Amino acid sequence: QKEVEQDPGPLSVPEGAIVSLNCTYSNSAFQYFMWYRQYSRKGPELLMYTYSSGNKEDGRFTAQVDKSSKYISLFIRDSQPSDSATYLCAMAEETSGSRLTFGEGTQLTVNP
Amino acid sequence: DTAVSQTPKYLVTQMGNDKSIKCEQNLGHDTMYWYKQDSKKFLKIMFSYNNKELIINETVPNRFSPKSPDKAHLNLHINSLELGDSAVYFCASSREQGIGGYTFGSGTRLTVV
Repeated sequence: QKEVEQDPGPLSVPEGAIVSLNCTYSNSAFQYFMWYRQYSRKGPELLMYTYSSGNKEDGRFTAQVDKSSKYISLFIRDSQPSDSATYLCAMAEETSGSRLTFGEGTQLTVNP
Repeated sequence: DTAVSQTPKYLVTQMGNDKSIKCEQNLGHDTMYWYKQDSKKFLKIMFSYNNKELIINETVPNRFSPKSPDKAHLNLHINSLELGDSAVYFCASSREQGIGGYTFGSGTRLTVV
């Protein structure tokens, strides 16, 4: 069983839709939770960074962490064609913050 | 521009050759990494250096050897390349061993023929 599970999609939505992306994990020691966006043939770009449980909002993006359920989410409001990319969740333990464990990524297409 | 830059962007080479990928960051970060992304887009850590000291060395064939001449540079040398080494290799850097997230380079697409 993988430490981090993420539905690879693909996910296709119309412009303006609310997108929900999710990851589950098995390692209860994970404390740092991140979402990265990766455009085709580019490097991953950090979107959201959260420590422990709770919500974080940044513009159209909201990240949620539920440590009791070992479940994290990324919501994208008013999705745009420019949001079309692969979204990767990533996590790390507090004691070894240098080792990020990634999900396999969800490919999202927002159709105009 | 502040960034993580790696060269070359593309590398096509024959089996058995030796090749190097270079990485530089001007973000003032203390920690640098090499990640491998396979054809299914899965990113897996290979190595991590903190202030020129190796702190993570995953189960990677010893044909792969990282080298950090200073904390702004981390290079990857690969000996005796094999077909299975074909992948995209990403360099990344971060503050304080990952806290605050990583900044990734744009990747080196290695194709072994």
